[in-house]
Amino acid sequence: DQQVKQNSPSLSVQEGRISILNCDYTNSMFDYFLWYKKYPAEGPTFLISISSIKDKNEDGRFTVFLNKSAKHLSLHIVPSQPGDSAVYFCAASVTDSWGKFQFGAGTQVVVTP
Amino acid sequence: SQTIHQWPATLVQPVGSPLSLECTVEGTSNPNLYWYRQAAGRGLQLLFYSVGIGQISSEVPQNLSASRPQDRQFILSSKKLLLSDSGFYLCAWSQGASSGNTIYFGEGSWLTVV
Repeated sequence: DQQVKQNSPSLSVQEGRISILNCDYTNSMFDYFLWYKKYPAEGPTFLISISSIKDKNEDGRFTVFLNKSAKHLSLHIVPSQPGDSAVYFCAASVTDSWGKFQFGAGTQVVVTP
Repeated sequence: SQTIHQWPATLVQPVGSPLSLECTVEGTSNPNLYWYRQAAGRGLQLLFYSVGIGQISSEVPQNLSASRPQDRQFILSSKKLLLSDSGFYLCAWSQGASSGNTIYFGEGSWLTVV
């Protein structure tokens, strides 16, 4: 039972434009969310987090939005750069769950010149 | 600063052979430690987590086991590998007992069972 879903397996965006990655979850108990970036044959790198007490968190070119009522979060990358080409995972956890995160299947982002 | 290392980076093992993947964390004490596996089309699946020496919890039934002989060392093992054990294995750590703590991953280990 996949509790975190990334329904778009791939996304192509032009350099300089905005990339929008989406993530849906089914467990209303989730209250902490992460986004990771992963290059092939490497471990995921942490990008940005958001807790359920917020609806937006920003870090440089990356902004995460959380819509609790819709059980939906999104990651915006502005402007997109060639180095952003990677697989992006969203992850969710419940407070006091010892950091056990449920991951989505990932979205492959390709930034074209 | 904290760092995490896992090895070997790649290995090819015959069916029925044993497995040992090792992971160490530096620059912190009493971390929570995790083993994840990346399966095609399913994202990252949590296999084991540990909140202290000798304390291991398994998330899914499988052919693998984990051990934590020291505070910052986590080992993934198997006595007899199956073809289905092939995949990309990731060790990770976090600090603290509660959620709200980011987990950080190692470089990953590619296991091919032939």
